[in-house]
Amino acid sequence: NAGVTQTPKFQVLKTGQSMTLQCAQDMNHNSMYWYRQDPGMGLRLIYYSASEGTTDKGEVPNGYNVSRLNKREFSLRLESAAPSQTSVYFCATVPGYSYEQYFGPGTRLTVT
Amino acid sequence: DAKTTQPPSMDCAEGRAANLPCNHSTISGNEYVYWYRQIHSQGPQYIIHGLKNNETNEMASLIITEDRKSSTLILPHATLRDTAVYYCIVRVYGTGGGADGLTFGKGTHLIIQP
Repeated sequence: NAGVTQTPKFQVLKTGQSMTLQCAQDMNHNSMYWYRQDPGMGLRLIYYSASEGTTDKGEVPNGYNVSRLNKREFSLRLESAAPSQTSVYFCATVPGYSYEQYFGPGTRLTVT
Repeated sequence: DAKTTQPPSMDCAEGRAANLPCNHSTISGNEYVYWYRQIHSQGPQYIIHGLKNNETNEMASLIITEDRKSSTLILPHATLRDTAVYYCIVRVYGTGGGADGLTFGKGTHLIIQP
């Protein structure tokens, strides 16, 4: 039981490049989330998915797209990376009517 | 959601109880208090939550005042591995199936001293 996994762990992009961050969970949770955390700051919600086939914007969605491929996987795509998107990205899941979120280990992204 | 206020940092000696305060004076009747922590470079970790009664689990105890305007997270025997940023979050339980995420402030940086 791996919980929440994220790939890659580290990534360096040049401005304008695109990439997809992957998140997968094996806990059969319905809700999944993408957060970003900038140095010295709390986490900010980018997008979330209440269930398979649905996605909604969070606090800071601009510059990102998401796909809830199936119940297990929720991906975050940067179409044209900008230096302002340099951050640590966390994926999280929730089992149901609760806020006991389970977080992945994070992806550290640098855009130069 | 109710806003929370936490001290930016605290120290505690190893082996002693660490008491982390949180003020949430605008909390409403159906809002729960949740505590998470984030050890350096890792994803946040759920610790405990409560509505109005005191709660205890294997990690910590949560004491909520009778008027629910503040709470204290207690780590009974702090170890060096408890050094982390601790977040107090107030949220309605199960809103939309928990789908709309959590709001993390800056939290309290707890440093356990050897």
